Amino acid sequence: DTGVSQDPRHKITKRGQNVTFRCDPISEHNRLYWYRQTLGQGPEFLTYFQNEAQLEKSRLLSDRFSAERPKGSFSTLEIQRTEQGDSAMYLCASSLARGGSVADTQYFGPGTRLTVL
Amino acid sequence: AQSVSQHNHHVILSEAASLELGCNYSYGGTVNLFWYVQYPGQHLQLLLKYFSGDPLVKGIKGFEAEFIKSKFSFNLRKPSVQWSDTAEYFCASNPMDTGRRALTFGSGTRLQVQP
Repeated sequence: DTGVSQDPRHKITKRGQNVTFRCDPISEHNRLYWYRQTLGQGPEFLTYFQNEAQLEKSRLLSDRFSAERPKGSFSTLEIQRTEQGDSAMYLCASSLARGGSVADTQYFGPGTRLTVL
Repeated sequence: AQSVSQHNHHVILSEAASLELGCNYSYGGTVNLFWYVQYPGQHLQLLLKYFSGDPLVKGIKGFEAEFIKSKFSFNLRKPSVQWSDTAEYFCASNPMDTGRRALTFGSGTRLQVQP
């Protein structure tokens, strides 16, 4: 079990640029989640996929944010026209849920730290 | 919107002291509850979880938590802490009866154990 992996681990960009992050979930996990964490706070939910379907989106996910999971495996999170307020740690998590299970456990990756200058 | 409160932001203990970290959630229905730990330089790891059944849940490294529905609480305990328990601890919940899968996290408690 190799765990959730995220790439890159660190990203520094200038305001207005677009950035894309990748998440590879634990093999065979069918649910994938994105969270954002700022200093001194707990993670905040952004969006979640079951297989390739995006089933839930937070109001934190503005129009500049888009996430995909095209083949139900890895996922990408893109931020367009980055702003300084986007600086945060972006966390990915995955879980294995059978059927409509409401009792699944999310396992987190190491995160991508984004700094917008 | 539901919320999770962790009232202790920073706790400093000596080794062998007992630990109790508070967690209160706001959702009035049935919930799943979790404690995650983040050691320095590492990612979030699951410490323990409660889905149903025995309200006293045992996790890894000697930690346990007790779900008290009447108090909307899920406090984390350890009878004797070690220096290696220095970390940030996050409580999280998600409702079981709404179809939402998102975890709501507290703001975390930073535990510092002095040798």
